[in-house]
Amino acid sequence: EAGVVQSPRYKIIEKKQPVAFWCNPISGHNTLYWYLQNLGQGPELLIRYENEEAVDDSQLPKDRFSAERLKGVDSTLKIQPAELGDSAVYLCASSLLAGGTGELFFGEGSRLTVL
Amino acid sequence: AQTVTQSQPEMSVQEAETVTLSCTYDTSESDYYLFWYKQPPSRQMILVIRQEAYKQQNATENRFSVNFQKAAKSFSLKISDSQLGDAAMYFCSITNAGKSTFGDGTTLTVKP
Repeated sequence: EAGVVQSPRYKIIEKKQPVAFWCNPISGHNTLYWYLQNLGQGPELLIRYENEEAVDDSQLPKDRFSAERLKGVDSTLKIQPAELGDSAVYLCASSLLAGGTGELFFGEGSRLTVL
Repeated sequence: AQTVTQSQPEMSVQEAETVTLSCTYDTSESDYYLFWYKQPPSRQMILVIRQEAYKQQNATENRFSVNFQKAAKSFSLKISDSQLGDAAMYFCSITNAGKSTFGDGTTLTVKP
């Protein structure tokens, strides 16, 4: 069974440029998460989807960040324009909502460097 | 709101010895899950062990076990017979109704 797939693994951009990250969750997982992880810290939730509905986006900086999960499968996280402070690893995770144990399955992450 | 605190930013252990990583949490919910995840350098985060809050018995997975003290809201991880491959960052996490919160992690070094 394929795990959570993220792309790109690494991205280097200049500040004020746009960037997008893509995530394909484990098949059948209806809950999808985007986390931000700064170096040496724990993941911080940006947005959580249940199927195609964003049920928790309270920590998403909506002035520059946007996300979508069309058809309740894969998802895209966009930053426009990027700032120096956005340099971090963006983690995607998925889980089963009903009948699951709450375990999150993570992708390898997308490391963003903003110059 | 739920919070997770890991008070040990770094820990080290001699190979084959035992080490315990600490975690405390806070939640107003009575039904939740607790997890320890492992994140090796530049690799993806994976589950180490899981504990259901309603179960009194401490979870065990091979060399990994937890000490779950619900009243004290404490959830420590014990690693026995430590191996070089155990070196990683370990995150404690609480999940309730799909919402997961993580601590800031403990970096574990294993000395040969």
